[in-house]
Amino acid sequence: GAVVSQHPSRVICKSGTSVKIECRSLDFQATTMFWYRQFPKQSLMLMATSNEGSKATYEQGVEKDKFLINHASLTLSTLTVTSAHPEDSSFYICSANPGWGHKNIQYFGAGTRLSVL
Amino acid sequence: LAKTTQPISMDSYEGQEVNITCSHNNIATNDYITWYQQFPSQGPRFIIQGYKTKVTNEVASLFIPADRKSSTLSLPRVSLSDTAVYYCLSHGSSNTGKLIFGQGTTLQVKP
Repeated sequence: GAVVSQHPSRVICKSGTSVKIECRSLDFQATTMFWYRQFPKQSLMLMATSNEGSKATYEQGVEKDKFLINHASLTLSTLTVTSAHPEDSSFYICSANPGWGHKNIQYFGAGTRLSVL
Repeated sequence: LAKTTQPISMDSYEGQEVNITCSHNNIATNDYITWYQQFPSQGPRFIIQGYKTKVTNEVASLFIPADRKSSTLSLPRVSLSDTAVYYCLSHGSSNTGKLIFGQGTTLQVKP
């Protein structure tokens, strides 16, 4: 199956700093990638749709200036949590679809555990 | 809002067959039904997808009745390692379409 790699798997940072998370499609190109956030014991919540070569589309209630998304190539999308605060501590997951024939089957990264002190 | 409804949790024992039912009363004509499995601190993993009738792969079977308003994921002879959260989603076939996750079903397999 298709492989999506996410890095780092875990990050601990101080309040006020920015953290960048990378999402790579290793064996396919993806014009669209998705970013989710998951709090303990809860389901995945879609944050934004990352579009290669254009602006990301954010879900209602997600601050675009706080969660910066860049999709500069067909295999890489990055999520930057700017000026992170303890309430941003969460599990962040990305996904992508290989395209034609996959009927929107999404392949997910392993996730990034962000802890803001 | 998620377009599907599932039981919050289920318990089973090793070696049993587990059936998890999902309701999607308002499924659109072109929507597919896809199930994902998620272990703690990992991203979801694709299990199976179907449109109608029955689909089987090496991991599970998916039963979809003619009206497509529900579906059942069947896991044969579960083991302790099948303890996970299982998500049912109905969605369009566009590869750029976003997925909205519901609460999922937490399956606990006991020895």
